[in-house]
Amino acid sequence: DQQVKQNSPSLSVQEGRISILNCDYTNSMFDYFLWYKKYPAEGPTFLISISSIKDKNEDGRFTVFLNKSAKHLSLHIVPSQPGDSAVYFCAATRRGRTSYDKVIFGPGTSLSVIP
Amino acid sequence: DVKVTQSSRYLVKRTGEKVFLECVQDMDHENMFWYRQDPGLGLRLIYFSYDVKMKEKGDIPEGYSVSREKKERFSLILESASTNQTSMYLCASSLARGRGAGELFFGEGSRLTVL
Repeated sequence: DQQVKQNSPSLSVQEGRISILNCDYTNSMFDYFLWYKKYPAEGPTFLISISSIKDKNEDGRFTVFLNKSAKHLSLHIVPSQPGDSAVYFCAATRRGRTSYDKVIFGPGTSLSVIP
Repeated sequence: DVKVTQSSRYLVKRTGEKVFLECVQDMDHENMFWYRQDPGLGLRLIYFSYDVKMKEKGDIPEGYSVSREKKERFSLILESASTNQTSMYLCASSLARGRGAGELFFGEGSRLTVL
């Protein structure tokens, strides 16, 4: 049973437009969410995160929105650039009393930004 | 610069062979993880460790074991490799607490093919 879901396996966007990647989770104990970006033949790299006490976090062209009641988060990339073409993984974890717990990943969304 | 190093980028093994995948991090992180990445399934957690000599099963531990004798090193062992263990294996580490905790740093991956 997948605890973190990314229902769109792929997404194509024109350069300069907005890319919106969606993620849903089922475990209400999750309180910290992360997005990772992965190029072929490389390990994933951290992109942006959000704590459950916030509903938005912004870092340059990347913004993550969290809707706790819907157990839904989204990553917005504006404007999209060809170098953003990669697989994006949504991930979630739970802060234990003293430390962070294991991190659960979604299946990923492959983003293609067309020049 | 932070670094997670996996010993082999590409391996080819035969069914029944014992396989060792080594991972070393130089960030003094408490937590270390082994994931496998398969198309359409994303990153699935095999095992993780939050301290030396400690280990916890992830979502798919069957057929694998791990060893963490030193804080910086986390090894994944396939006692008897099978063809369904052909995959990309990713090691990661993270801080357990404090600023940046929960954020994973990944190695470049080890592509294992079992014939």
